[in-house]
Amino acid sequence: EVQLVETGGGLIQPGESLTLSCAASGFAVTSTYMSWVRQAPGKGLEWVSFFYSTSSTYYADSVRGRFTISRDNSKNTVYLQMSSLRVEDTAVYYCARGRWGFDSWGQGTLVTVSS
Amino acid sequence: IVLTQSPGTLSLSPGERVTLSCRASQIIGSNYLGWYQQKPGQAPRLLIYDASTRATGIPDRFSGSGSGTDFTLTISRLEPEDFAVYYCQQYYRSPWTFGRGTKVEIK
Repeated sequence: EVQLVETGGGLIQPGESLTLSCAASGFAVTSTYMSWVRQAPGKGLEWVSFFYSTSSTYYADSVRGRFTISRDNSKNTVYLQMSSLRVEDTAVYYCARGRWGFDSWGQGTLVTVSS
Repeated sequence: IVLTQSPGTLSLSPGERVTLSCRASQIIGSNYLGWYQQKPGQAPRLLIYDASTRATGIPDRFSGSGSGTDFTLTISRLEPEDFAVYYCQQYYRSPWTFGRGTKVEIK
């Protein structure tokens, strides 16, 4: 069974850093694209970043230069390192699998940026 | 690519037919467009990919159509569990983008 479990969310002050993890089971993260998608409270979905290989990553304009996506093959886990966090980064962060549509999603982890 | 979904909200009764629209600001090649359903407190669920292919386990009352810049999700007969928010997403060109969603609520 495919499963994605996000961890690492919490309350953090503006300007600080936080790293989210997405542990996968039931498939190899090396076999596909892995993305982070976020949803601000009461708002719609916003794609944030994808990782396919070290030379194939991409970021939304809103996070480029502040967020870094990476992968640990031995742990079958994808990470999202977030720095210089802003109030507007407050959201539930989901990891999702797939290149042609996201066919599996985690349950999400809430990141709250507030002073 | 900006995706515009319409309408923003639909108020309907169980058993009715639903048609949701997603219009793109540029041509989406290879019909690389998907549709998702999201219920409160839950992660989204993939319904349709490549504009018209149902994802695994999706009932056949859900269908997708369209090409180029205009795409449609149709629910042939609304079931009580179908009241939710529906999003379209393009994965043709980075950055991948979502529409703002259409809420289907009970009338």
